[in-house]
Amino acid sequence: AAGVIQSPRHLIKEKRETATLKCYPIPRHDTVYWYQQGPGQDPQFLISFYEKMQSDKGSIPDRFSAQQFSDYHSELNMSSLELGDSALYFCASSSVTSEETQYFGPGTRLLVL
Amino acid sequence: AQTVTQSQPEMSVQEAETVTLSCTYDTSESNYYLFWYKQPPSRQMILVIRQEAYKQQNATENRFSVNFQKAAKSFSLKISDSQLGDTAMYFCALAAQGGSEKLVFGKGTKLTVNP
Repeated sequence: AAGVIQSPRHLIKEKRETATLKCYPIPRHDTVYWYQQGPGQDPQFLISFYEKMQSDKGSIPDRFSAQQFSDYHSELNMSSLELGDSALYFCASSSVTSEETQYFGPGTRLLVL
Repeated sequence: AQTVTQSQPEMSVQEAETVTLSCTYDTSESNYYLFWYKQPPSRQMILVIRQEAYKQQNATENRFSVNFQKAAKSFSLKISDSQLGDTAMYFCALAAQGGSEKLVFGKGTKLTVNP
């Protein structure tokens, strides 16, 4: 079965640079979620989209923005990167057919130097 | 606000034995879902098991089962016949029912299965 795809899998950036993370949900899933997991921590919800509209917002810095496109893929844009942004970023997707169960992608490991 | 508490930071079990991981939660929602996710050293988040709060019957998935006590707001995971591949961080998570609801995670329990 198709899974959630995230790219890139690894990313190294310098402070104050910009990064773009991409997420391709499971086919026919209409909701995408972004989570941030710092070292030794549990995942923290950042933002979600349902049918291309923002549905909820968590502890996402103002330096971050995201959107969901017409093909349902989503991008998380991160600007003015800080050392503390180094983390594993997960995308998850769900739908009514998955009974709202969220399936996670492999994550993007971001390292800010 | 919703909270999830896992009081066991680390646990260990011998291969082939049974282990139970604890989770308690708090929510004002009347309808919600509970999940256990597994995160092995690869750090992939893998769904282990899912429980709808309106269902009294405890969910089971092969060697994994839950003990869902709604009144006590408790949701423990039992792993039977533990295998080396079960070594991972296990996260308990909660989501309100309603569509597009975020997951709230506990801090996790690191489980080690010893040969």
